[in-house]
Amino acid sequence: AQTVTQSQPEMSVQEAETVTLSCTYDTSESDYYLFWYKQPPSRQMILVIRQEAYKQQNATENRFSVNFQKAAKSFSLKISDSQLGDAAMYFCAYRSAANNNDMRFGAGTRLTVKP
Amino acid sequence: DVKVTQSSRYLVKRTGEKVFLECVQDMDHENMFWYRQDPGLGLRLIYFSYDVKMKEKGDIPEGYSVSREKKERFSLILESASTNQTSMYLCASRGGRAETQYFGPGTRLLVL
Repeated sequence: AQTVTQSQPEMSVQEAETVTLSCTYDTSESDYYLFWYKQPPSRQMILVIRQEAYKQQNATENRFSVNFQKAAKSFSLKISDSQLGDAAMYFCAYRSAANNNDMRFGAGTRLTVKP
Repeated sequence: DVKVTQSSRYLVKRTGEKVFLECVQDMDHENMFWYRQDPGLGLRLIYFSYDVKMKEKGDIPEGYSVSREKKERFSLILESASTNQTSMYLCASRGGRAETQYFGPGTRLLVL
């Protein structure tokens, strides 16, 4: 079964600085999707960014971008110009294209943003 | 915008009680999911449903059952709640294969 590893249980960043959250995954498949979800304290989990494995170009959404290294099975999230509202739990997730009801999540990284 | 709602944000139940958690989505999604979220473990899939009356077990179905009588509604049932089922429960829904999964706000369940 596929596994997703987030090796940083907690991270902190100064407001306006840049932070990178790490994620690695294990799979033998070639076609899949990768996601970063954000869960603010006591609030709904929302999608931050997604990446299709067949796309070589790294996905970008405003201040959020990923570094997708398919061979290394690495999918890190970079947050630029960090804001206080970025403070949240961040979950990395993998979903198989063949069995797309099987979505695997990492344990999460708690991001603190210091003013 | 996709909206996924859950019947309760917080719930306190006694051991042995039957517990119903309800989830409703308004985007006509075929697929609906129930996850359990525990610190250090991420999200683990309990059950999912790909159509009305259709269900499949996830990774941790023991002690749970589900019901999907209508497309928009997916219920999670704890037949006899136990203290080890104290957790955050998240519902999610998704349309087609390549589409994004959307989450509800979660229900924090405490079993005493």
